[in-house]
Amino acid sequence: GNSVTQMEGPVTLSEEAFLTINCTYTATGYPSLFWYVQYPGEGLQLLLKATKADDKGSNKGFEATYRKETTSFHLEKGSVQVSDSAVYFCALSSANAGGTSYGKLTFGQGTILTVHP
Amino acid sequence: GAGVSQSPSNKVTEKGKDVELRCDPISGHTALYWYRQSLGQGLEFLIYFQGNSAPDKSGLPSDRFSAERTGGSVSTLTIQRTQQEDSAVYLCASRISPENTEAFFGQGTRLTVV
Repeated sequence: GNSVTQMEGPVTLSEEAFLTINCTYTATGYPSLFWYVQYPGEGLQLLLKATKADDKGSNKGFEATYRKETTSFHLEKGSVQVSDSAVYFCALSSANAGGTSYGKLTFGQGTILTVHP
Repeated sequence: GAGVSQSPSNKVTEKGKDVELRCDPISGHTALYWYRQSLGQGLEFLIYFQGNSAPDKSGLPSDRFSAERTGGSVSTLTIQRTQQEDSAVYLCASRISPENTEAFFGQGTRLTVV
C-alpha cells in the first residue's frame, strides 16, 4: 500500500535559518506529491505540489523536488520567517489497485515547525 | 460559499451517543473526502464520494461509522454509539474532480467523547 514517512519534529529554528523537512514515500504507480500546511487555528492548505518525476513545486519561498530514484519529496526554504510557524504535512495521491485514481491522499505524520525571532 | 464549510466546529458528546457531522463542499466540486486527524494516528482517509455514491469506503474504522451525500453537495458523517477512541478532528475536503490535483479542506469538526 501507499505510505509517507516524514521527518519527526518538532523543528525549532531562528528567523532566517535554512529549513529542510525530509519526506519519503512508498506508492504504486506514479503518484502526485504534495506539501500541505496547517497554520495555527486554520484548516489545511495546499502549499505546493509536483505531479511527475523531476518536477519542482514552489510557493511562498518553499520548494520541493519530486525525486523518483530516491522516492523523496523534501521541503526546503532558504530563509524562514516567524510567520512560517505551522504544521507541515507531506502527502501523496496515487491510483488504487484497479487503476482508477480517486484522488485519495495519504499523509505523513506532520512536522511542527516553530520559528523564533 | 467560498470554501469548504464544516459544522459544528466543536462537539462534545457522551460515550454511547450518536453524532452527526456536516460538510458543505465548494459548489460544483464533485469529489468529496472525509479524513480523521487524531493524536498518534496522523491524518487518515475515511471515505470518498463521487457525486452521491461512495466508491471507496475503505477507511471507515468500524460499522458504527457511516456517511451519505445528497444532491451531489452536502455530506453527513454519522458515528453511532460513540467511543472515546473516536475523539479526533474530522476533516472534509473537496475537489472539482478526482483527477484534479488540488483538494480544499474545511477547518474540521473537533469531536470529544467523554
